[in-house]
Amino acid sequence: DQQVKQNSPSLSVQEGRISILNCDYTNSMFDYFLWYKKYPAEGPTFLISISSIKDKNEDGRFTVFLNKSAKHLSLHIVPSQPGDSAVYFCAASAIVGEGAQKLVFGQGTRLTINP
Amino acid sequence: NAGVTQTPKFRVLKTGQSMTLLCAQDMNHEYMYWYRQDPGMGLRLIHYSVGEGTTAKGEVPDGYNVSRLKKQNFLLGLESAAPSQTSVYFCASSPGLGRAWNTEAFFGQGTRLTVV
Repeated sequence: DQQVKQNSPSLSVQEGRISILNCDYTNSMFDYFLWYKKYPAEGPTFLISISSIKDKNEDGRFTVFLNKSAKHLSLHIVPSQPGDSAVYFCAASAIVGEGAQKLVFGQGTRLTINP
Repeated sequence: NAGVTQTPKFRVLKTGQSMTLLCAQDMNHEYMYWYRQDPGMGLRLIHYSVGEGTTAKGEVPDGYNVSRLKKQNFLLGLESAAPSQTSVYFCASSPGLGRAWNTEAFFGQGTRLTVV
């Protein structure tokens, strides 16, 4: 039961262009969505998030869009830079027992920025 | 500020051996988590803890045990390792202040475990 799905295992984009990473979810109870970036041999690092009551959040070159009716979110990176090459994980937040937050992750999309 | 530190970074085990992975955080976070990452499956929650002395099961807890004797440490144990437990293990921590909190979690650098 994959509640968070990233259907594109990889994406290749030319430097300077826009990168768009997509994510779909099935659970309407998710109340917060996050994107993490992961370099090889490192742990995931937080990139940007969005509350379920919003439809857009922007932070510099990164913008996350949320379409609740379609249960879809996307991450836009403009302009794309070589340092953006990494694996990007979409995650959704759910409350588990005793109020702990659980992050449910997608499978990840490997983004490659070509010079 | 070291953040979240995992020990060891790499380990090779033989089937049936036991080992403990250590996670330490210096941010005074209440909540700590253990995830495993496998190809094509993202990160899956093994166990989590909402505070010192408490632990709970996540999505894939079988074959693992955990302990949180001190607030800053969260240990993941494999009593009898199996090849299916070959994976990259990530520890994470978060503040745990309530539902209105910023829900980002901070991850360690990972432990690559191979069971042969």
